[in-house]
Amino acid sequence: RKEVEQDPGPFNVPEGATVAFNCTYSNSASQSFFWYRQDCRKEPKLLMSVYSSGNEDGRFTAQLNRASQYISLLIRDSKLSDSATYLCVVNINTGGFKTIFGAGTRLFVKA
Amino acid sequence: DTAVSQTPKYLVTQMGNDKSIKCEQNLGHDTMYWYKQDSKKFLKIMFSYNNKELIINETVPNRFSPKSPDKAHLNLHINSLELGDSAVYFCASSQGLAEHYEQYFGPGTRLTVT
Repeated sequence: RKEVEQDPGPFNVPEGATVAFNCTYSNSASQSFFWYRQDCRKEPKLLMSVYSSGNEDGRFTAQLNRASQYISLLIRDSKLSDSATYLCVVNINTGGFKTIFGAGTRLFVKA
Repeated sequence: DTAVSQTPKYLVTQMGNDKSIKCEQNLGHDTMYWYKQDSKKFLKIMFSYNNKELIINETVPNRFSPKSPDKAHLNLHINSLELGDSAVYFCASSQGLAEHYEQYFGPGTRLTVT
């Protein structure tokens, strides 16, 4: 079983749609959680950190469920510019920490 | 100003050659990383350094040797290149070792081994 698993995608949605991505992690030593965004042939960039209480940044909402070892990202009112790959990222406590990236979920937003 | 820079951006070379990729960050961060992103787009950590000291070495063949001359630079030297080394290599940095710090990535080096 992969340490971080994401919806395989791709997700094809029209502008204005709401889309949700799921991510599960297997290691209970996981300490911190993030969503990164990667555009085609570009580097990953932080979209948002994910906190136990859930957090929102404009159209983006992230949730964490430690009991189920599950993370989600909700995008409301999708824009064409949201088209990208969304990477679920988990930092695992190994004495120091190790960063594990999910394989990513590809989103296409069409006009 | 570029926060994390890598050179070269593209590298095409033949099997058996030795090559280096350079990385520099001007963010004043203590921790730097090397990642490999293969053709299936999996991003996997290879090494992490904190204040020039190796922290993580993730079962990477010893043909790969990172070097950190100072905490702003982390270079990657690859000996005896193989076809399977073809990938995009990303350098990243973070403020420190704590797990909540965001990582900032360089633009990547696309390595093609023929």
